[in-house]
Amino acid sequence: DADVTQTPRNRITKTGKRIMLECSQTKGHDRMYWYRQDPGLGLQLIYYSFDVKDINKGEISDGYSVSRQAQAKFSLSLESAIPNQTALYFCATSSTAYNEQFFGPGTRLTVL
Amino acid sequence: GENVEQHPSTLSVQEGDSAVIKCTYSDSASNYFPWYKQELGKRPQLIIDIRSNVGEKKDQRIAVTLNKTAKHFSLHITETQPEDSAVYFCAASRGSGGSYIPTFGRGTSLIVHP
Repeated sequence: DADVTQTPRNRITKTGKRIMLECSQTKGHDRMYWYRQDPGLGLQLIYYSFDVKDINKGEISDGYSVSRQAQAKFSLSLESAIPNQTALYFCATSSTAYNEQFFGPGTRLTVL
Repeated sequence: GENVEQHPSTLSVQEGDSAVIKCTYSDSASNYFPWYKQELGKRPQLIIDIRSNVGEKKDQRIAVTLNKTAKHFSLHITETQPEDSAVYFCAASRGSGGSYIPTFGRGTSLIVHP
């Protein structure tokens, strides 16, 4: 089945380290998103991309950067991780024809 | 930007009861309102959505209603079952041609007691 995958699924890192979270999809969708989920705060949009050459900031982009290497791949980087970036991170995709977002399984990131 | 408020944050019901989750939004131009369900340890999944040109939509035991004038929309679950236990997120967005960027509410944890 076509799916959205994320690597790694869990990551523990230290303050100041650079870390990259990767997202891949086999759904053939051109739109990709990165969200952060904290308990009681819902899903907050970090960055989104409507195609390979398109990158847009979301509501909480400070401290994050992204790269859209191909239609199927969208990476999120934390240049210098800090403890308050400890959260569950979701990648999502959608197509131009439908509004439904399809989420990946999530990456649980802990910054010590 | 859009602001979405969701209430309650926690809802506890007995199996067979109905559950209602309410959301309000601030941007009168928002025209697409999805609801996502996230089971414990799983990814969010769309369960129902509604567009601004429709006042109500039903799918088996779930329904969503929209009041554009008051800028609020609600999720209704009837005959709740233990498998309905999850966190539910509402969202509001505007756009066209698939260019919707949703703003999510903070979520409602629904607990259905057998």
